[in-house]
Amino acid sequence: GAVVSQHPSRVICKSGTSVKIECRSLDFQATTMFWYRQFPKKSLMLMATSNEGSKATYEQGVEKDKFLINHASLTLSTLTVTSAHPEDSSFYICSPYGGNYGYTFGSGTRLTVV
Amino acid sequence: QKEVEQDPGPLSVPEGAIVSLNCTYSNSAFQYFMWYRQYSRKGPELLMYTYSSGNKEDGRFTAQVDKSSKYISLFIRDSQPSDSATYLCAMSVRGGAQKLVFGQGTRLTINP
Repeated sequence: GAVVSQHPSRVICKSGTSVKIECRSLDFQATTMFWYRQFPKKSLMLMATSNEGSKATYEQGVEKDKFLINHASLTLSTLTVTSAHPEDSSFYICSPYGGNYGYTFGSGTRLTVV
Repeated sequence: QKEVEQDPGPLSVPEGAIVSLNCTYSNSAFQYFMWYRQYSRKGPELLMYTYSSGNKEDGRFTAQVDKSSKYISLFIRDSQPSDSATYLCAMSVRGGAQKLVFGQGTRLTINP
């Protein structure tokens, strides 16, 4: 089946620093990558959609300069939270789409900004 | 009005009970319907996927879609404590990597 690797699973960083989250599709090629944010006891909120080699398309209200998405290859996408603030603390989930697997999901990254 | 409405619960039932989870939607263009299970602090995992009206069964799980009423359901038979999780419905329009629209999620607890 589809294997998705998302790292780190948990990260704590200081305010003002940047954090990079990696998402890899290990056994299929992800033509499209979705990045979600999830608040406690809430549903998934789509942040952005990216296609390999193209700029990401951000949802309304999501700051593209704060949440940098790179989808340089069909098996790797990264989300960088720049100049992190405590309000950026959340659960971030990647969702590679491709091959015969359709929509798949990473295991999520819990970001805490102190 | 949200595109997808799902009762957030929480829902608590005894072990062995039949569980019914439901979502309604307003966008008649939705063609693909999915149910995901999400354990605490984990990513969602796909349980059921369907694109036509009617029932689809997989083990203890049955997904039901009624496009005329814009209503989908997930039934869990012989519920187990390990089924305790948040269940999310999701749907998309036809055509490749379209955005998924999620319901709010229902928190389910199966009591031993």
